[in-house]
Amino acid sequence: AQSVTQLGSHVSVSEGALVLLRCNYSSSVPPYLFWYVQYPNQGLQLLLKYTTGATLVKGINGFEAEFKKSETSFHLTKPSAHMSDAAEYFCAVRGGGADGLTFGKGTHLIIQP
Amino acid sequence: DVKVTQSSRYLVKRTGEKVFLECVQDMDHENMFWYRQDPGLGLRLIYFSYDVKMKEKGDIPEGYSVSREKKERFSLILESASTNQTSMYLCASSLATGGHNQPQHFGDGTRLSIL
Repeated sequence: AQSVTQLGSHVSVSEGALVLLRCNYSSSVPPYLFWYVQYPNQGLQLLLKYTTGATLVKGINGFEAEFKKSETSFHLTKPSAHMSDAAEYFCAVRGGGADGLTFGKGTHLIIQP
Repeated sequence: DVKVTQSSRYLVKRTGEKVFLECVQDMDHENMFWYRQDPGLGLRLIYFSYDVKMKEKGDIPEGYSVSREKKERFSLILESASTNQTSMYLCASSLATGGHNQPQHFGDGTRLSIL
């Protein structure tokens, strides 16, 4: 069975600083990994998805994620935080077939001015 | 752009009522999903469907049922609402073809309160 662990329910960074949101996964099949963002009172929006063979995946809004199979990690980064990045971020893994995503518990990103 | 529309943003119902949450997608996606989102628990899969009249249980199906009579519409039913079903409910859809990394597209959610 798949599982996802997001380290840190809340992460606070200063505007302009590096953003690092951690995600570790457990999967018995090749992982299909995703990062989603949720702004207040909205649904989830896809930030990026892992593509087999890639180590660095680029997404929207300047975010990227590095896939490390040896560490079973898929951490999300952004070089310079912006106030508009304040939101809830979810890492998710999908199994084979048509079954749904297994989500981490989410990380609330706070941007300090 | 994919549009997933949930019929209500906010809903207040009473204990014991039968509650219907409706979801419609406009991109001819085969797969549709219902999740509930609770603080500190993330999103959990209730049910999903990969075709008309087909349904599969997710991780927390107890107390819920679903209906998919048309490809574009997926309904979540609370047979007899209880206070522990107060939550945010999110519908999603995705293509079945093109590989397992097809993303799911989400609606804006229905915040359901059971009194």
